[in-house]
Amino acid sequence: DTGVSQDPRHKITKRGQNVTFRCDPISEHNRLYWYRQTLGQGPEFLTYFQNEAQLEKSRLLSDRFSAERPKGSFSTLEIQRTEQGDSAMYLCASSPKRTGNTEAFFGQGTRLTVV
Amino acid sequence: QQQVKQSPQSLIVQKGGISIINCAYENTAFDYFPWYQQFPGKGPALLIAIRPDVSEKKEGRFTISFNKSAKQFSLHIMDSQPGDSATYFCALRDSSYKLIFGSGTRLLVRP
Repeated sequence: DTGVSQDPRHKITKRGQNVTFRCDPISEHNRLYWYRQTLGQGPEFLTYFQNEAQLEKSRLLSDRFSAERPKGSFSTLEIQRTEQGDSAMYLCASSPKRTGNTEAFFGQGTRLTVV
Repeated sequence: QQQVKQSPQSLIVQKGGISIINCAYENTAFDYFPWYQQFPGKGPALLIAIRPDVSEKKEGRFTISFNKSAKQFSLHIMDSQPGDSATYFCALRDSSYKLIFGSGTRLLVRP
């Protein structure tokens, strides 16, 4: 499969626990994005990597959130001390570094439920 | 701040009808205007996109109309089919290639 892969697809956790999500982008896509989507809303940008460098972070990304992309390949998003407000779909997208109409390909997301 | 406003929130169309979804944006720092389609439990998928130097783009039954001076763009789905029932998002792409999404339109096409 050559699409963006996210794992796990679903995660239920208790408030206060830490969770980590993984994203495997399309091979050779050097741009990787994390978005959060709550029910009935459009995805909201969280952070962006170009290769292994984290170039931009949204104000939505509190200090409980951290993202990494070691070696510019897969990426992880960790949420520490989860809160009920963190319940959402976390989407990963990747795109190639090219000018023009480069499409961002999204994974199927990780649905997080904090109970 | 909401940089893109999308309407309507929901839309019901009969099979064979035309579905029209509108978006308006607030500043000009965007170079690419895509529409995404999302089915339940799936990630968004690019449907069609336009650059601001073009006023209209058509791909099959899907057309984007773009009005740069009014800062508005719209998606038209001709001959709507039940399989088109999904949530549609307009988006703006900025210089870092990140996307700013509208709030979505839930389209239901009745058979």
